[in-house]
Amino acid sequence: DSGVTQTPKHLITATGQRVTLRCSPRSGDLSVYWYQQSLDQGLQFLIQYYNGEERAKGNILERFSAQQFPDLHSELNLSSLELGDSALYFCASSVDAGGAGYEQYFGPGTRLTVT
Amino acid sequence: QQQVKQSPQSLIVQKGGISIINCAYENTAFDYFPWYQQFPGKGPALLIAIRPDVSEKKEGRFTISFNKSAKQFSLHIMDSQPGDSATYFCAASMVNTGGFKTIFGAGTRLFVKA
Repeated sequence: DSGVTQTPKHLITATGQRVTLRCSPRSGDLSVYWYQQSLDQGLQFLIQYYNGEERAKGNILERFSAQQFPDLHSELNLSSLELGDSALYFCASSVDAGGAGYEQYFGPGTRLTVT
Repeated sequence: QQQVKQSPQSLIVQKGGISIINCAYENTAFDYFPWYQQFPGKGPALLIAIRPDVSEKKEGRFTISFNKSAKQFSLHIMDSQPGDSATYFCAASMVNTGGFKTIFGAGTRLFVKA
């Protein structure tokens, strides 16, 4: 158990809908990262937040957005969902923004199925 | 330039054998190279990591070899066990505009035959 929690575990929704995925980092970790894992694209970095601020952006679509709250939990919002958005979404956390605390700890993931 | 190329795609090794997975990168700004192990239905778990100022790092049966000039690094699993059967991802990370970016390889499915 990495100490990172993600909810829900599974999510099934229809095209065009909007969903919110939630992540709680390990105790003491200030950075949260979101990743998408699909069969054809592999594991793709989406976005990083550090202590409430966006710090790094990867291949995140404009239909997707994220935020980190004062209690450090994070939410990933996916809107106007398409079939191709079906994937595993992982959250990871680390101690800081990328200085000494490079180690990232991954949560168990949320499996999103868009029908 | 942001890619990390990983090979082989899949690997079958006899119990007790050595498993070797290779990765290559282009961008010299990467300065942290972790390996992750992922079992079906689970999130990736950090296995071992290396920085480019070190040529080798060993932790138990797992060793990373790093060749900075060739921009290549590899994972060696000694005395491979059936419990090592999983997907392994190499990755390369860099600090970028105040944040931290990680690019993953495509993954290697390892199967260790008993």
